[in-house]
Amino acid sequence: DAGVIQSPRHEVTEMGQEVTLRCKPISGHNSLFWYRQTMMRGLELLIYFNNNVPIDDSGMPEDRFSAKMPNASFSTLKIQPSEPRDSAVYFCASESGLQGSSYEQYFGPGTRLTVT
Amino acid sequence: RKEVEQDPGPFNVPEGATVAFNCTYSNSASQSFFWYRQDCRKEPKLLMSVYSSGNEDGRFTAQLNRASQYISLLIRDSKLSDSATYLCVVNRATDSGYSTLTFGKGTMLLVSP
Repeated sequence: DAGVIQSPRHEVTEMGQEVTLRCKPISGHNSLFWYRQTMMRGLELLIYFNNNVPIDDSGMPEDRFSAKMPNASFSTLKIQPSEPRDSAVYFCASESGLQGSSYEQYFGPGTRLTVT
Repeated sequence: RKEVEQDPGPFNVPEGATVAFNCTYSNSASQSFFWYRQDCRKEPKLLMSVYSSGNEDGRFTAQLNRASQYISLLIRDSKLSDSATYLCVVNRATDSGYSTLTFGKGTMLLVSP
């Protein structure tokens, strides 16, 4: 199994530009998570999908952030417009758990985003 | 009080030493507990689950104290390859009946020759 795949691995962009991060979860996993990690705040959950449906987006910082999961094998996280404070490592993770339980989450390698 | 609190470290220990990390969590309704390991500039990976009765996996021992809302990880006979950040992880139930994970900021371990 290829594991969780994320692209791009690195992204450098200028303030105000649109950024799209992509994720392919492990085949058969029904839950997908987007996290952001910074030194100051650690690993924060942004949004969580179960069976392609957004379940909890309370961690999405503001309207500039949006996420979609059009099918079981693909998800995007979009930032528009981007700001320097969005600079972080963005991880996607997938899990094969059931409602009400937490099982092992498998993380992708992350996208290191730098907004100048 | 933060949901999951850990000492950030770093813990500097020589090879062969025994080292222990602690973690406290605020949600008394949490049911699942884990330790994840994160190497520098890599993604987090599950190290071990933590069970109420305590559990051991080779050189690693995890303990849970529900009354004190406290989790620990003990590493015996430290190896250079144990150098990493160790994340304490606790589940959190959402209003919709689902469950997500809350990660601590991690404790950094540096094992030296």
